[in-house]
Amino acid sequence: QVQLVESGGGLVKPGGSLRLSCVASGFTFTDYSMSWIRQAPGKGLEWVSFITARGGTINYADSVKGRFTISRDNANNSLYMQMTSLRGEDTAVYYCGAAYTYGSGFDFWGQGMLVTVSS
Amino acid sequence: SYELTQPPSVSVSPGQTAIITCSGDNLGDKYACWYQQKPGQSPVKVIFQNNMRPSGIPERFSGSNSGNTATLTISGTQAMDEADYYCQVWDRSSDLYVFGPGTKVTVL
Repeated sequence: QVQLVESGGGLVKPGGSLRLSCVASGFTFTDYSMSWIRQAPGKGLEWVSFITARGGTINYADSVKGRFTISRDNANNSLYMQMTSLRGEDTAVYYCGAAYTYGSGFDFWGQGMLVTVSS
Repeated sequence: SYELTQPPSVSVSPGQTAIITCSGDNLGDKYACWYQQKPGQSPVKVIFQNNMRPSGIPERFSGSNSGNTATLTISGTQAMDEADYYCQVWDRSSDLYVFGPGTKVTVL
């Protein structure tokens, strides 16, 4: 069955760095663009970043541009997010999501992992 | 940047119809998707490309999109439909995904 398994979350101090990972299984990873989506405690969903299937196109929300870097390793069905200069407002549950086309929305979601930025 | 608006909450009696709106400039020119999220769970897509239902999603969920408003309709609402619902579009002009703020559906 389809699985997206995230790892790498946890507690980090303001200004610190963290690397999130997401490993996919059960579908053809190279057919899907991948995104990171986050949800601050008690708040709504916020799209963070996406990378197309072959990695040719990448984009970021303004709130993370210049601080976060998305990448993927298609040989290992893996998605990554390098987060630097972390702020309190980056505290959220982070989900990885898979989209077959732009119009199809996010077909698969990970279970989510909490990133807490606090001193 | 492109913005979507949704009512914060919608209340519905069991068996009745819940209508959730999502508004944005010329939203009808884009494909709208809808997600259901229950407490402590990951979101689940219930509508894509305005009115398409993924396999496994009950027929009581339907969608439409025209003008500046997309609509998610839940017919014959059940207690299990109580959740937060988010609309989402791909904004081609800026190459960004956008989510609406979410609507909490309460089944009274």
